[in-house]
Amino acid sequence: SQKIEQNSEALNIQEGKTATLTCNYTNYSPAYLQWYRQDPGRGPVFLLLIRENEKEKRKERLKVTFDTTLKQSLFHITASQPADSATYLCALSSGGYQKVTFGTGTKLQVIP
Amino acid sequence: SQTIHQWPATLVQPVGSPLSLECTVEGTSNPNLYWYRQAAGRGLQLLFYSVGIGQISSEVPQNLSASRPQDRQFILSSKKLLLSDSGFYLCAWSTPGQGYYGYTFGSGTRLTVV
Repeated sequence: SQKIEQNSEALNIQEGKTATLTCNYTNYSPAYLQWYRQDPGRGPVFLLLIRENEKEKRKERLKVTFDTTLKQSLFHITASQPADSATYLCALSSGGYQKVTFGTGTKLQVIP
Repeated sequence: SQTIHQWPATLVQPVGSPLSLECTVEGTSNPNLYWYRQAAGRGLQLLFYSVGIGQISSEVPQNLSASRPQDRQFILSSKKLLLSDSGFYLCAWSTPGQGYYGYTFGSGTRLTVV
């Protein structure tokens, strides 16, 4: 069955450093990979989408890579700030009617 | 601009009582609509999705049902709640046929069945 793995342990980093979150998947050939941010008690917020034929995408301090050979995506936040503290969800889609499967997320804590 | 409204924000219901959660979208036409549930410490589980009025697809057999009486209205219901129905319910929409830009989620409903 399809499986999306994100590090369930919280990631603690110092303010100003680059945070790197990992998303691995198995038994899946996604056309799209997305990253969302979720704050406690709130709905996820869409951050970035990368297509299977793209290697890298950037948006401000965010960078996403997508390696379909390794079946892995890396999500980077450069110059991290305490306000970046949240849970980050990886999500995959095969396109079509756009059904999306979400990972369980990684909690990021940026320490001042 | 597009907005999505979901209510209520929190709900405490006894076992065996009915449920109705409503979601409406503004500023777009013919959106794809979704209901997700997020249990504590777990990922988002897709419950239902809809690509048009009256068109509902169920992903998980359960005690819940969904309806789409209007283009931008999506309702999640149950006739008799179970303890296992507790969770964080999220409505979302996406734009069909224009590439793929991710989901926009509502603010969620925290349901506690007691």
